[in-house]
Amino acid sequence: GAVVSQHPSWVICKSGTSVKIECRSLDFQATTMFWYRQFPKQSLMLMATSNEGSKATYEQGVEKDKFLINHASLTLSTLTVTSAHPEDSSFYICSAHQGYEQYFGPGTRLTVT
Amino acid sequence: GDSVTQMEGPVTLSEEAFLTINCTYTATGYPSLFWYVQYPGEGLQLLLKATKADDKGSNKGFEATYRKETTSFHLEKGSVQVSDSAVYFCALSDRGSSNTGKLIFGQGTTLQVKP
Repeated sequence: GAVVSQHPSWVICKSGTSVKIECRSLDFQATTMFWYRQFPKQSLMLMATSNEGSKATYEQGVEKDKFLINHASLTLSTLTVTSAHPEDSSFYICSAHQGYEQYFGPGTRLTVT
Repeated sequence: GDSVTQMEGPVTLSEEAFLTINCTYTATGYPSLFWYVQYPGEGLQLLLKATKADDKGSNKGFEATYRKETTSFHLEKGSVQVSDSAVYFCALSDRGSSNTGKLIFGQGTTLQVKP
C-alpha cells in the first residue's frame, strides 16, 4: 500500500513554456502533499506544502507565481512550472503525508531547453 | 530550528564490508527518525524508521537505533552488496502538536560498493 505516482516521469520543454506535473496517491487519501526539488548530487529542497482545498504554503525563496500548486482532491496535487527557463531544469519529487510518514513519488525529470 | 547532519560521502566499500553512515540531529520536540534510500534515477524509498528513543528500525539487513542521549540515528549494515550502492538520506519529522508532516533531510551520503 501507500503508493504515490507522478506523471510524467520526464519532460523536455522549450524556454518560456509551462509544464504541469501531477502527483497522485493511488491507494490512500492525502490532505497534505509536499513538493521537493533536487539538484544533482544534492539533498531534497522542500518547495511547498500542498493542502487539499486551500492554498499551498511556500518555503522561503520559492516563487509562488512561478511554481503554481493546486491540490484539487484528496488524491491529486499538481505543480505547474510557468514560463520555464533552463535554470528550472531539475528533478521534482512529490510526497503524500499519511500519519507520521511521507510516501514519495518516483520523481519527474524536467529539462528546459 | 531542527536539523539533520550526515557524514559526508562518498563512502566506498568492498562487497561484504561493514557499513556505518553517521547521522545526528537537533530537534526541540520528539521527532520520528527515518532513513531513505535513493537509487540512481529514482525517487526516495523509506528504508527504515524509529518513532521513539531506543527504538531500532531495521529492513533488508540495515539497522539504526534512535539514541536520544547522543541525538544520533546511525545507519549500519553488516555486509554490503553491490546492489546497495545508492544515496542514503537521514531525516526527521516533528511529531509535536504542530504535526505538519514536514521532513527535514540531511545532505545525503553516497555509497559505492565495489565487487
